[in-house]
Amino acid sequence: GAVVSQHPSWVICKSGTSVKIECRSLDFQATTMFWYRQFPKQSLMLMATSNEGSKATYEQGVEKDKFLINHASLTLSTLTVTSAHPEDSSFYICSADPTGRGELFFGEGSRLTVL
Amino acid sequence: GDSVTQMEGPVTLSEEAFLTINCTYTATGYPSLFWYVQYPGEGLQLLLKATKADDKGSNKGFEATYRKETTSFHLEKGSVQVSDSAVYFCALYGSSNTGKLIFGQGTTLQVKP
Repeated sequence: GAVVSQHPSWVICKSGTSVKIECRSLDFQATTMFWYRQFPKQSLMLMATSNEGSKATYEQGVEKDKFLINHASLTLSTLTVTSAHPEDSSFYICSADPTGRGELFFGEGSRLTVL
Repeated sequence: GDSVTQMEGPVTLSEEAFLTINCTYTATGYPSLFWYVQYPGEGLQLLLKATKADDKGSNKGFEATYRKETTSFHLEKGSVQVSDSAVYFCALYGSSNTGKLIFGQGTTLQVKP
């Protein structure tokens, strides 16, 4: 099946710093990628849809200036958490749908801990 | 809007027990339905899917049947193993979602030897 890879798998940073998470599609081209945030009690929240060559589409309540998404190529989308605070600590997961039929392939996830 | 509701967990079973995780949905049109699984410390992966009413998706001994009359897609397995311990997510993909997958809240399954 299609492979989506995230990096880093975990990161610890100080409050106020920015952190970048990369999401790559390794064996297919992805014009669209999805960024999710997973809270401690499992629920998966769609943050934004990343669109290659154009602006990301953010879900209601997600701060676009806080969570910067860039999709500069057909195989790479990045999520930058700017001026991170402890409440941003979470598990961030990216995914892509190469078939266009809802069959998402997920990255391994990136656990962010902000001290 | 479209939504998915799963039974709350955790579900704790002994090895070889029968598993059912309930999932119901609300949607306009004719959505596709999915079960995704997340093993500890990993991302999600597709477990099975069904794209139309009365379809049965199956994989790794798990099954789920798309029931339009009851708007349900319950996950079942006849004999669970310790290695099945994971979080299971029911999801919906419909024409009204503009390409978004709608997830249920997830159900944790713990299988004890």
